[in-house]
Amino acid sequence: EAGVAQSPRYKIIEKRQSVAFWCNPISGHATLYWYQQILGQGPKLLIQFQNNGVVDDSQLPKDRFSAERLKGVDSTLKIQPAKLEDSAVYLCASSLEGGTIYGYTFGSGTRLTVV
Amino acid sequence: ILNVEQSPQSLHVQEGDSTNFTCSFPSSNFYALHWYRWETAKSPEALFVMTLNGDEKKKGRISATLNTKEGYSYLYIKGSQPEDSATYLCAFRNNDMRFGAGTRLTVKP
Repeated sequence: EAGVAQSPRYKIIEKRQSVAFWCNPISGHATLYWYQQILGQGPKLLIQFQNNGVVDDSQLPKDRFSAERLKGVDSTLKIQPAKLEDSAVYLCASSLEGGTIYGYTFGSGTRLTVV
Repeated sequence: ILNVEQSPQSLHVQEGDSTNFTCSFPSSNFYALHWYRWETAKSPEALFVMTLNGDEKKKGRISATLNTKEGYSYLYIKGSQPEDSATYLCAFRNNDMRFGAGTRLTVKP
């Protein structure tokens, strides 16, 4: 089966600019996650979708980050405006049933550098 | 322990050495413990999902053990190879999935 697709792989922007990331999960996976992994830290959950509804966005900085999953399939994560501290790898993952038994399938991530 | 902690942060070994890392997690409200391997520029790859105290899992030269009562899991690699070089992440699952910062392993030929 095809894996989780993410694009772009790399992005360099200046602070205060906007950026968007795209994710296409594994077909049939109802749950989709966006994680932020800052160098030296573990991945941190930004937002979790179940189909096209938000399950958890408690750690999403909503003043600048937004995410949507309109048709319950692919998803976009946007940062507007970007700050230097947003430099990180943004990982998208999907799972069948919330990931308890089989875990998550991750994409290869988008490495964002804000200068 | 409130968070997931992994040690060591990084490790350099010679090809053929055996090695192990530790993942410590909250011992209450345990549901599952996941191990992932993350090679540079690739996707994190699921290694093991462990749910029962005393669980031992094995995949080739890699194995893991779980102690839910004291809140730790060990990952062992027997006879390390250069292709084992990666960051090994553990994640503790109760209401959500909480990741450690990982152990970065470098295996020198």
